[in-house]
Amino acid sequence: DAGVIQSPRHEVTEMGQEVTLRCKPISGHNSLFWYRQTMMRGLELLIYFNNNVPIDDSGMPEDRFSAKMPNASFSTLKIQPSEPRDSAVYFCASSSPGGSRMDTQYFGPGTRLTVL
Amino acid sequence: GQNIDQPTEMTATEGAIVQINCTYQTSGFNGLFWYQQHAGEAPTFLSYNVLDGLEEKGRFSSFLSRSKGYSYLLLKELQMKDSASYLCAVRLSGGSYIPTFGRGTSLIVHP
Repeated sequence: DAGVIQSPRHEVTEMGQEVTLRCKPISGHNSLFWYRQTMMRGLELLIYFNNNVPIDDSGMPEDRFSAKMPNASFSTLKIQPSEPRDSAVYFCASSSPGGSRMDTQYFGPGTRLTVL
Repeated sequence: GQNIDQPTEMTATEGAIVQINCTYQTSGFNGLFWYQQHAGEAPTFLSYNVLDGLEEKGRFSSFLSRSKGYSYLLLKELQMKDSASYLCAVRLSGGSYIPTFGRGTSLIVHP
């Protein structure tokens, strides 16, 4: 299995520009998570999908952030407009159905976003 | 609510044993994970505890005491490649089963 795939791996953009991060979860996993990691705040959950439906988006910082999961094999996280404080590593993770050890989260390699 | 505490940084010598502690204050506890994260890489799963006791997996072991809200990760026969951040994550019962991560402990192994 290829694991969770994220693109791009690195993104440098200017303040005010739109940024789209992409994720392909592990085949067969029905839960998908977007996290943001910074030195100051650690690993923070932004949004969680189950069977392509957003379940908990309470971690999404503000309206500039949006996420979609049009099908079981693809999700996007969009920031519009981007700001320097959005600079962080964004991880996507997936897991299989909850309630057991099998719902361990598997993380993608992350996208390192720098907003100038 | 959840309040997960880990030491920020630890150092140890190659070949030694190190114990990384994690304490949590949470209602409805339903499992604790340990993840390893090397610099510039993604977190990778190490262990999962839901019952009290010790879970051993090679050089790594994880312990849980639910009554004390306490866990530790024990690393034996330390190797230089064990230098990484170790994240403790706690999951609540009911609801979404999503774990909340601690800030992580940066372990530096020196010769």
